[in-house]
Amino acid sequence: EVQLVESGGGLVQPGGSLRLSCAASGFTFSGFWMTWVRQAPGKGLEWVAIIKQDGSEQVYVDSVKGRFTISRDNAKNSLFLQMNSLRAEDTAVYYCARVNVWCTFDPWGQGTLVTVSS
Amino acid sequence: EIVITQSPATLSVSPGERATLSCRASQSVSSDFAWYQQKPGQAPSLLIYAASTRATGIPARFSGSGSGTEFTLTISSLQSEDFAVYYCQHYKIWPLTFGGGTTVEIK
Repeated sequence: EVQLVESGGGLVQPGGSLRLSCAASGFTFSGFWMTWVRQAPGKGLEWVAIIKQDGSEQVYVDSVKGRFTISRDNAKNSLFLQMNSLRAEDTAVYYCARVNVWCTFDPWGQGTLVTVSS
Repeated sequence: EIVITQSPATLSVSPGERATLSCRASQSVSSDFAWYQQKPGQAPSLLIYAASTRATGIPARFSGSGSGTEFTLTISSLQSEDFAVYYCQHYKIWPLTFGGGTTVEIK
């Protein structure tokens, strides 16, 4: 069974940092692009970042460029999101998802909540 | 950035009735378009990709249509498990963007 499990969320002060992890299982992790999508409380979905199979290419939404870094460890079947200089508007549930050949996201993890507040 | 506008924001439908959801892209995305379903407290799940192709395991009552800038998701006969929020997304260029969502609620 394909499974994605996020961890690392929590409460952090504005300006602080947090590192999210996503553990993948049930598929050949190194064969897929992977992505992070977030959802602010009661709001819609926002794509955040995406990374190529070998980690050689990353793309970000403008609102997180220079603050967030997506990375992966194919040996450990893990995806990461390093979030620095966090702002209140970064408060959201962060989902990792596998990117399929059509650049659609399937499946998704259950999400991890990041709250940025003093 | 391609802006995706979903309508309506909320759709009230009786079980067994047909539901039609729409998305409009601010510029052509060809058929690089997908639909997702999100039930309360759950992660989104993929319904449709390439504008009209059902994802694995998706019932035939879900159908997608459109190309260019106008897209439609039709649920032919709503079942109780279909009441949820639906999002559309393009994957034509970076950044990938989603519509604001349509809540399908029980009438």
